[in-house]
Amino acid sequence: QVQLQESGPGLVKPSQTLSLTCTVSGGSISSGSYYWSWIRQPAGKGLEWIGRIYTSGSTNYNPSLKSRVTISVDTSKNQFSLKLSSVTAADTAVYYCARDHVGYSSGTVIYYFDYWGQGTLVTVSS
Amino acid sequence: AIRMTQSPSSFSASTGDRVTITCRASQGISSYLAWYQQKPGKAPKLLIYAASTLQSGVPSRFSGSGSGTDFTLTISCLQSEDFATYYCQQYYSYPLITFGQGTRLEIK
Repeated sequence: QVQLQESGPGLVKPSQTLSLTCTVSGGSISSGSYYWSWIRQPAGKGLEWIGRIYTSGSTNYNPSLKSRVTISVDTSKNQFSLKLSSVTAADTAVYYCARDHVGYSSGTVIYYFDYWGQGTLVTVSS
Repeated sequence: AIRMTQSPSSFSASTGDRVTITCRASQGISSYLAWYQQKPGKAPKLLIYAASTLQSGVPSRFSGSGSGTDFTLTISCLQSEDFATYYCQQYYSYPLITFGQGTRLEIK
């Protein structure tokens, strides 16, 4: 059973860089054709996809955040990480890491997030 | 970006009811849609993908339908554990993924 666990500071000052790590257990981050994503959720609001990485290092980012986001992977540690620069109060949210499942079934493309971390609250405040 | 609009935003129902949640895309997305359930303080849980395929382990009272721009999630007989917030998610515009704003289902 794959498990994901986010870790990192719960409090970040405005204008600084938010840094989080997701540790994957119960399987190798390099096995299978999976991408690994970061998703966030402000309190009482909906879900926003931030970006994803493949174990080759290939990344995709949400255009709304692209200028501030960097996602990296460390396959030796079975981890992937998120850096979000120049944060403001609007970046206060629960941040989730998740596994992207991409494939084909019955002639159609399938895509979903099948495993999620428990989420970690990051507050941006001085 | 493709905008996903869910309706209603919230509603209440009783155990045993049949309920339907709607998700509308701002443009056609074929059947490239997934549904998730989220309970307070928890991560979302996948229910349905490819608009109508039930994820393994999800009770059969959940079903999904639709294609193009209009989709529905139906719970045939509400159980107490089904009171939660539900999100739709499109992947037609992959690599960009977008979610609906959520539908909160409360106990009447």
